[in-house]
Amino acid sequence: EVQLVESGGGLVQPGGSLRLSCVASGFTFSSYWMTWVRQAPGKGLEWVANIKQDGSEKYYVDSVKGRFTISRDNAKNSMYLQMNSLRAEDTAVYYCARFVGDKWDYPPGYWGQGTLVTVSS
Amino acid sequence: DIQMTQSPSSLSASVGDKVTITCRASQGIRNYLAWYQQKPGKVPRLLIYGASTLQSGVPSRFSGSGSGTDFTLTISCLQPEDVATYYCQKYSSAPRTFGQGTKVEIK
Repeated sequence: EVQLVESGGGLVQPGGSLRLSCVASGFTFSSYWMTWVRQAPGKGLEWVANIKQDGSEKYYVDSVKGRFTISRDNAKNSMYLQMNSLRAEDTAVYYCARFVGDKWDYPPGYWGQGTLVTVSS
Repeated sequence: DIQMTQSPSSLSASVGDKVTITCRASQGIRNYLAWYQQKPGKVPRLLIYGASTLQSGVPSRFSGSGSGTDFTLTISCLQPEDVATYYCQKYSSAPRTFGQGTKVEIK
């Protein structure tokens, strides 16, 4: 069974940093693209970033470019999202997800439960 | 960037009704379109990808169609457990934009 467990969320002041983690199990982690998607309270879904199997390709939504960094450690079956220069508008539940297939041209089909990031003074 | 526009934003229908939700891309995205269901307080669930391929375990009353810029999600016979917000997402290239969502309620 595919399992994705996020951690690292919490309350942080504007301008601060946070590192989210996603630990995967139940599948060969190194074989799949992975992604982060977020959802602000009461709002819709927003794609944040994707990372290729070997970490050689990374893509970001414009609003986080230069502030967020997606990475992965296949030996630890883990993906990360380093978030710097956080803003109030980054407040959201952050979901880790795995593509449904093993190529770039698939959507995320397996999702974690999410971790809440709150940016506030 | 390609924008994704869903309509309607919300709808109310009776149990057993056929429900149709539309998603329009501002440029062609071939068939790189997915549909998700998100029930209140729950994690999004992939329903359909490739515009019309049903994800494993999804009831057959859900179907998708379209290509290029215009796509449709159809629920053939609405059930009480289908109350949720539905999102489309393009995944032809980054950014993988979602539609704004369509909230489905029971009348």
